[in-house]
Amino acid sequence: DAGVTQSPTHLIKTRGQHVTLRCSPISGHKSVSWYQQVLGQGPQFIFQYYEKEERGRGNFPDRFSARQFPNYSSELNVNALLLGDSALYLCASSWRVLETQYFGPGTRLLVL
Amino acid sequence: EDQVTQSPEALRLQEGESSSLNCSYTVSGLRGLFWYRQDPGKGPEFLFTLYSAGEEKEKERLKATLTKKESFLHITAPKPEDSATYLCAVPRSATNKLIFGTGTLLAVQP
Repeated sequence: DAGVTQSPTHLIKTRGQHVTLRCSPISGHKSVSWYQQVLGQGPQFIFQYYEKEERGRGNFPDRFSARQFPNYSSELNVNALLLGDSALYLCASSWRVLETQYFGPGTRLLVL
Repeated sequence: EDQVTQSPEALRLQEGESSSLNCSYTVSGLRGLFWYRQDPGKGPEFLFTLYSAGEEKEKERLKATLTKKESFLHITAPKPEDSATYLCAVPRSATNKLIFGTGTLLAVQP
């Protein structure tokens, strides 16, 4: 079975631009979570969605938004990019909220 | 404040030299503790979920245990391919948000 997939794998943007990251969960999983991981740190929680509804939001500015589609795939949007947004963005899926989360390979975002 | 602390930050072992990694947590009403392995530039790979004190789980050379305040990841006779960062995570009190420790960077030398 396919695991969690994310696209693109790498992305380079300039300050002020907008970016959209995509995630497809494991088949049958209805919950998707997004994390930001900077070098040397553990992943930081951004959002969680379950059955297309937001179930949790981390301490990130309103420039960050997300949504989940009827097929349970998800998008993470970041507006007005800052240099500090450079990080590995991880998507994780689980069958339900609080079940074990399985991570995708991540999208490496570099903001110049 | 909910917190997850991992120690040591880095660990260097010789092949075959067994050791343990520690994950201590302060959350109210633990609803699971998760261990992951992460290779450089890749997403975390799931290893174990533990739900109650006294629980133990094993996979190849790894064994995870849980008490009311901490979890240990025991590595028996490690091999160079066990080199990675090991992360633990717990759900924050009364929410669905997973909080991660900063990880233990393990290097196993042949």
